[in-house]
Amino acid sequence: GAVVSQHPSWVICKSGTSVKIECRSLDFQATTMFWYRQFPKQSLMLMATSNEGSKATYEQGVEKDKFLINHASLTLSTLTVTSAHPEDSSFYICSASDRVGQFFGPGTRLTVL
Amino acid sequence: DAKTTQPPSMDCAEGRAANLPCNHSTISGNEYVYWYRQIHSQGPQYIIHGLKNNETNEMASLIITEDRKSSTLILPHATLRDTAVYYCIVEGMDSNYQLIWGAGTKLIIKP
Repeated sequence: GAVVSQHPSWVICKSGTSVKIECRSLDFQATTMFWYRQFPKQSLMLMATSNEGSKATYEQGVEKDKFLINHASLTLSTLTVTSAHPEDSSFYICSASDRVGQFFGPGTRLTVL
Repeated sequence: DAKTTQPPSMDCAEGRAANLPCNHSTISGNEYVYWYRQIHSQGPQYIIHGLKNNETNEMASLIITEDRKSSTLILPHATLRDTAVYYCIVEGMDSNYQLIWGAGTKLIIKP
């Protein structure tokens, strides 16, 4: 149980384009989902907390207009990186929480050329 | 800042028990101790969590000291596939499940 999926697992895009990443909880309903970013050889950094049906809460230094988060249902949250630039290249990971704790997706590797 | 301190790296021989320590001297009464691991280029994997009592599941055992200021994750029979970065995190159930990640311990299992 407690499986979280992400799509796509790997994406390469041109600078200036937008990329949407989906996060799904497959076998449980998650009122709260989290989006993280991880640069090489670094730990996870929380970007935002997403609650179903309400606006996401962004961490300090994370631009909400650049990283659009939509949590339209209890099993789906999306992160859209708008006008992506090479410095946005990173490993993006989502997680969903149930009563036990947080369960993580496999991650999406974004490369912006 | 992370609320835990862990050694940056550890080695363990395949087949032996791997004991990973974690200090969390400022833990408060309602905070749980969570352990996750991250294998290279994958999302973190939940291992185990506990509050006061020792816990065991199919993956590992968690030993929490009586004063709750430190804990040890035990992988009873380490395999090469257990090579990963292990993260110890303390967090309260009432904090909207936000996890603050430290640097973790890079565990290398050697044949």
